[in-house]
Amino acid sequence: DQQVKQNSPSLSVQEGRISILNCDYTNSMFDYFLWYKKYPAEGPTFLISISSIKDKNEDGRFTVFLNKSAKHLSLHIVPSQPGDSAVYFCAARDLSGGYNKLIFGAGTRLAVHP
Amino acid sequence: DADVTQTPRNRITKTGKRIMLECSQTKGHDRMYWYRQDPGLGLRLIYYSFDVKDINKGEISDGYSVSRQAQAKFSLSLESAIPNQTALYFCATSDKQGVSDNEQFFGPGTRLTVL
Repeated sequence: DQQVKQNSPSLSVQEGRISILNCDYTNSMFDYFLWYKKYPAEGPTFLISISSIKDKNEDGRFTVFLNKSAKHLSLHIVPSQPGDSAVYFCAARDLSGGYNKLIFGAGTRLAVHP
Repeated sequence: DADVTQTPRNRITKTGKRIMLECSQTKGHDRMYWYRQDPGLGLRLIYYSFDVKDINKGEISDGYSVSRQAQAKFSLSLESAIPNQTALYFCATSDKQGVSDNEQFFGPGTRLTVL
């Protein structure tokens, strides 16, 4: 059973509007979360992260919100640009077994159209 | 030059063949990982290595083996490839220092097709 879930496989947004990508997790022991962005034919690249001691982290047009009680995080992109069109992966840090590993969601494909 | 490189980028092989995917990095990181990506399943961890002498199984290690030849090199082998190992494979690295440990740097991927 997936511990990190991205229930929307795709999202289409108009340029200039807000994009909201959602992620849910099941393990309350996860204490650090990351978003990765992936373009076709390239590896994922780190976008933004948040520690579980915070509820918001902002970096330019990108903001990640964390709701620990709901085990939910979201990535907001404002304003959305065509270059933001990519697959976005949510990931959670898993420290079980004494090793630092990342558990990834299935990804959400964002399409930003003019 | 890319910090994390993978060879080959594309490979088509037949069922039962042995395949090796290679990963090299120039970032000086101690930690290296192998993932596979399948549609609808995201990235799943196959093996990870926190230094040359420390190799661990990930979520889906059956049918795979790895070798950490040096700090900079981590190879993934499929001893006898089967069609359901058709996927996109990614190598990644991370630094063990502080919060940098959380961020992983990915190679461009190897698309493997097993017929």
